[in-house]
Formats: sequence, structure tokens, C-alpha cells
Amino acid sequence: QKEVEQDPGPLSVPEGAIVSLNCTYSNSAFQYFMWYRQYSRKGPELLMYTYSSGNKEDGRFTAQVDKSSKYISLFIRDSQPSDSATYLCAMSARSEGNTPLVFGKGTRLSVIA
Amino acid sequence: DSGVTQTPKHLITATGQRVTLRCSPRSGDLSVYWYQQSLDQGLQFLIQYYNGEERAKGNILERFSAQQFPDLHSELNLSSLELGDSALYFCASSVGGIRTEAFFGQGTRLTVV
Repeated sequence: QKEVEQDPGPLSVPEGAIVSLNCTYSNSAFQYFMWYRQYSRKGPELLMYTYSSGNKEDGRFTAQVDKSSKYISLFIRDSQPSDSATYLCAMSARSEGNTPLVFGKGTRLSVIA
Repeated sequence: DSGVTQTPKHLITATGQRVTLRCSPRSGDLSVYWYQQSLDQGLQFLIQYYNGEERAKGNILERFSAQQFPDLHSELNLSSLELGDSALYFCASSVGGIRTEAFFGQGTRLTVV
């Protein structure tokens, strides 16, 4: 079993839809959870950063972490064509100065105008 | 702009050759990470340096090596290159310590012919 599982998609939605992206993980030591957005052939861009369980909202984006289920989600409200990209979840364990991120393979999202 | 600078942006070289990729982290960041991204493998963690010292090693081949210099910039050396080494190589940096969110450069696209 991979440490982080993410459905690669592709996921295609109409403009204005609510998008739900998810990852599951197996390592119970993970405590820091991130979502990155990557446009084609560009560097991943940090969207959301959360610690432990709970919700975090930033504009149209909401990140949820359920550590009991080892499941994280990213919701995008009022999706726009500019949201079309690959979304990567990432996570790491708490370890002073030694915290490489483990990434999911990414979900490719297309928002159709 | 993430503040992480990678050079060169593109590199084309022949099999058996050696190349050096360079990364300048964000100002104040002590941790530097190297990742490899190929089409079918997602983002694979290679190696992490923290304040000049190697802190974590991932799936890095013996033909690959890296170092972080006193000014905190880092170099990734790839030798005896094979066709399968063709990929995007990303550098990321973070503050370090318990802060784990990483900021990525735009990557170096390596093509081995």
C-alpha cells in the first residue's frame, strides 16, 4: 500500500461547480497536510496548509483533515476555468528539521466554461 | 513567484554525461529539498538538506548526489545519465524546524538523448 493515495482523475466539471478532491494515507504519524496546485510544466504552488484534524478556509478553497479516517479533502467552490490544473496533496510527520513531504500522484482537474 | 530560483530551466544532454542543477532557496529558508517528477511516477523525493547538512534521503540513485553550500544554495549532480533520467527536477525550500510547508521553484526540465 502506498503511503499516500490520490485518484489521478481526470476530473471534468462545469464552471461554477463545487469540486471535491481527496487523498487517503496510511502513516498515522502524518500531522501536517498541504494541497498544491500545479499548472502544466510549472512548479507546484502551495494552496493550503493545515496542522492535524479540522477545517481551514481560504477564499473559495476549504481543506478538511480527518485523522481518524486518514482522509483529507480539498473543496473548491464556484470553480473557474483558471482552476484547471493538477492538484497534489502532500503530508509530513512532525520531526524537527527532518520533514520531507510525501506527495500523492495528483488529480488532474478541468473546469469547462 | 515563490522566491525559489532554479537554473537552468532546460537542459538537453547525451547519455553518459554529467550535469549540475542549481537551486537558490527563499531568503531565510534553511531546508532545501530535491524532487524528481516524471509522467508516470509523480513527485518523488530525492534528498533534503537542512542548514548545510543532509537530513533525509529518498529514492535517490547512487549516480546522483547533492550538497548545500554555506550560503544555503544547493546543487544536484546527476552523472552517467540514462534516458530514464529525463524528467522535471524541482527544488523546494522551507523555513525548517517544525514548519514543513515547502515552496517550489519552477523546475529544470532535463532531457537525455
